[in-house]
Amino acid sequence: GQNIDQPTEMTATEGAIVQINCTYQTSGFNGLFWYQQHAGEAPTFLSYNVLDGLEEKGRFSSFLSRSKGYSYLLLKELQMKDSASYLCAVLMDSNYQLIWGAGTKLIIKP
Amino acid sequence: DTAVSQTPKYLVTQMGNDKSIKCEQNLGHDTMYWYKQDSKKFLKIMFSYNNKELIINETVPNRFSPKSPDKAHLNLHINSLELGDSAVYFCASSPGTLYEQYFGPGTRLTVT
Repeated sequence: GQNIDQPTEMTATEGAIVQINCTYQTSGFNGLFWYQQHAGEAPTFLSYNVLDGLEEKGRFSSFLSRSKGYSYLLLKELQMKDSASYLCAVLMDSNYQLIWGAGTKLIIKP
Repeated sequence: DTAVSQTPKYLVTQMGNDKSIKCEQNLGHDTMYWYKQDSKKFLKIMFSYNNKELIINETVPNRFSPKSPDKAHLNLHINSLELGDSAVYFCASSPGTLYEQYFGPGTRLTVT
């Protein structure tokens, strides 16, 4: 079966840095996505990693290690509006289907 | 201006009824999807269409039937609704299967 693991919940302080980890065991792999989902809203795209390494986009960075089945999302200079769930999803190479993790709820405290 | 739109936003209905959810995208994308997000927040793919052709049809009850009249629309019809169908249903689109997906606002379905 396919398995994607993320911490259920994390808490961080406004202005700080937080790293959200995602590990996956899937029968195929064609890339890894990170999405942000605010409560009661739709997921929105944050990043897409296909190759190993770090992709930086403003305050958000995403890292991938395919050999370790591991990714993380790094959020810098945290703002209150960053309070949301962060979803990790693996794109399968067999049918181009996204397999989703359950998401990490990030709580930002002043 | 809305990229991916869904109607209705809320749907409350009784067991046994038949209902439809409509989805439209104005992004010119080739691929559209239906997802179900349950109370535990897992997103599960239900269907995917590419250029009006079904490419993903996950194990969902055959009470669920998608219909894509054209590339910009993907509707979801549900027959004989059950309590377990209560969830948020998201429509999404992407330029192709290897690209990021853009989600609609979701339809919260409550079956009583």
